[in-house]
Amino acid sequence: GDSVTQMEGPVTLSEEAFLTINCTYTATGYPSLFWYVQYPGEGLQLLLKATKADDKGSNKGFEATYRKETTSFHLEKGSVQVSDSAVYFCALGRKSSGDKLTFGTGTRLAVRP
Amino acid sequence: DAGVIQSPRHEVTEMGQEVTLRCKPISGHDYLFWYRQTMMRGLELLIYFNNNVPIDDSGMPEDRFSAKMPNASFSTLKIQPSEPRDSAVYFCASSRDTYTDTQYFGPGTRLTVL
Repeated sequence: GDSVTQMEGPVTLSEEAFLTINCTYTATGYPSLFWYVQYPGEGLQLLLKATKADDKGSNKGFEATYRKETTSFHLEKGSVQVSDSAVYFCALGRKSSGDKLTFGTGTRLAVRP
Repeated sequence: DAGVIQSPRHEVTEMGQEVTLRCKPISGHDYLFWYRQTMMRGLELLIYFNNNVPIDDSGMPEDRFSAKMPNASFSTLKIQPSEPRDSAVYFCASSRDTYTDTQYFGPGTRLTVL
């Protein structure tokens, strides 16, 4: 079945550091890929998405590129801020698996001033 | 739009009691999802609806859990009887279209069963 694997957290960085959170997936066909973010005490919200190979999703300085050849969708940001501290979830959706998403376990990011 | 609305935000109850969680999706969204989040198990999809019809309830833990969507603007998740292991944050989410569309999450209901 479909699965999403994220790097273990927590990830602790200093402000203005470069961020990478790895995400790889297992799925047949051509899934759509997503990054959701959960700030403390809130529900998840979509950060960015990509629906086909080589697409790059971007939002709020975050980027991720859909790499079919490596089945990856790594999240990057050039300079993190304290306000980026949150839990980040990678997810995939595929037509033949219905209208639901498969989420990774989440990666907690803590940014120090 | 007001976003997805969930109530109550916090619920503390005793083992054996009935618990009802409520959700109002975003108007015009045809899909509604119920999730449960715990430290041990992460985020789990319990059930989802399309146009008020349950499509996949394979994530519902057991018969103590039930969900309904009597109309397009309201859904409930009921636990009867509740147990301490049901303690979790329960999220409702809605989306306009299929898996490629954004899911909008509510703020969640934190349930504590003593």
